[in-house]
Amino acid sequence: GAGVSQSPSNKVTEKGKDVELRCDPISGHTALYWYRQSLGQGLEFLIYFQGNSAPDKSGLPSDRFSAERTGGSVSTLTIQRTQQEDSAVYLCASSLYSSGTEAFFGQGTRLTVV
Amino acid sequence: RKEVEQDPGPFNVPEGATVAFNCTYSNSASQSFFWYRQDCRKEPKLLMSVYSSGNEDGRFTAQLNRASQYISLLIRDSKLSDSATYLCVVRKEGKLIFGQGTELSVKP
Repeated sequence: GAGVSQSPSNKVTEKGKDVELRCDPISGHTALYWYRQSLGQGLEFLIYFQGNSAPDKSGLPSDRFSAERTGGSVSTLTIQRTQQEDSAVYLCASSLYSSGTEAFFGQGTRLTVV
Repeated sequence: RKEVEQDPGPFNVPEGATVAFNCTYSNSASQSFFWYRQDCRKEPKLLMSVYSSGNEDGRFTAQLNRASQYISLLIRDSKLSDSATYLCVVRKEGKLIFGQGTELSVKP
């Protein structure tokens, strides 16, 4: 497809389990971003990649959160030992470059921790 | 202080009204600026980029004042379909920073 693709679209998991969220950016986009949005709240920055490296991981809430990007394309956000406060929509975006150009978002993964 | 701050909402306006949103950012090293729109339970989508000289796209006008670190969005002749949350976005060193958003509700 032409847009940013995220999977799964919905995920319900038990507290304490690990989850992996996947993002397929637009082909050729070098920058990739992860955000989290809780109900009724703004977008919380988590991490961004330029190519395969992550110049800014400052938004990751705890060491339970990690992300990687391989081949300058697909990215995976992993949350270990999920907690109820991790419930949110996780949004991925990509842009052609990390300067000047707009970012395009995927439809998000709605994570519910029960 | 948040890096990007927007007017608190919601804004409730009648169809045809003109409405203005304001945004301030704290880091003078910020490099590029955007307005995004987010409909309920949907992903944000680019409304327009914001240029130093100001720019217009139909009923929408964006302005940037780098000296005051201030961005604005003006919507003229508002439509019911303009109802959404408007997000001010600043790029600094590659990172995109979003404001909390201002909710707009246009009523018949």
